[in-house]
Amino acid sequence: GAVVSQHPSWVICKSGTSVKIECRSLDFQATTMFWYRQFPKQSLMLMATSNEGSKATYEQGVEKDKFLINHASLTLSTLTVTSAHPEDSSFYICSATGATLGNYGYTFGSGTRLTVV
Amino acid sequence: KQEVTQIPAALSVPEGENLVLNCSFTDSAIYNLQWFRQDPGKGLTSLLLIQSSQREQTSGRLNASLDKSSGRSTLYIAASQPGDSATYLCAASTGFQKLVFGTGTRLLVSP
Repeated sequence: GAVVSQHPSWVICKSGTSVKIECRSLDFQATTMFWYRQFPKQSLMLMATSNEGSKATYEQGVEKDKFLINHASLTLSTLTVTSAHPEDSSFYICSATGATLGNYGYTFGSGTRLTVV
Repeated sequence: KQEVTQIPAALSVPEGENLVLNCSFTDSAIYNLQWFRQDPGKGLTSLLLIQSSQREQTSGRLNASLDKSSGRSTLYIAASQPGDSATYLCAASTGFQKLVFGTGTRLLVSP
């Protein structure tokens, strides 16, 4: 089946530093990638949608200069949290879809637990 | 703006019980409704997808129904097992490929 590999699974960083999270589609071409964040005991909130080779579309209230998304290839998308602060601590999950998954097929990464200290 | 809620927030049952998880959405103009399973600290696994024109979908011990007019979907789990313990999320598709997730139901099935 379609697999998305997300790394790292957890990261601890100091306040003010930047952190990059990667999502790779291993066996399909991910034409569209979605990035979500999830606070403890809360649901997933969509942050942005990116199509390969295009700029990401951010949801209202999400700072595009803080959460940099790159989707330069059909198998890799990255989310960089710049100048991270403790309030950015959260669980980040990517989701990918592509032609082989059909219009409504999604594959999710395993998530990244970010802790900013 | 689509809002999705799930009740109960948490559920604890003994093994073997049949159970129902509820999902409500405010805007009936959805493309589809999906149910996912999330294990602690993990990503999501798709369980069932119901297209807007369908009323239910079944997979093994799982059955999901959809009533667009009332803005509701239910996930029925038959003969629950400890391995079913997880958080169950429903998500409404409000546009092409965009999902709005519910708050989830944390299920614990005791042996």
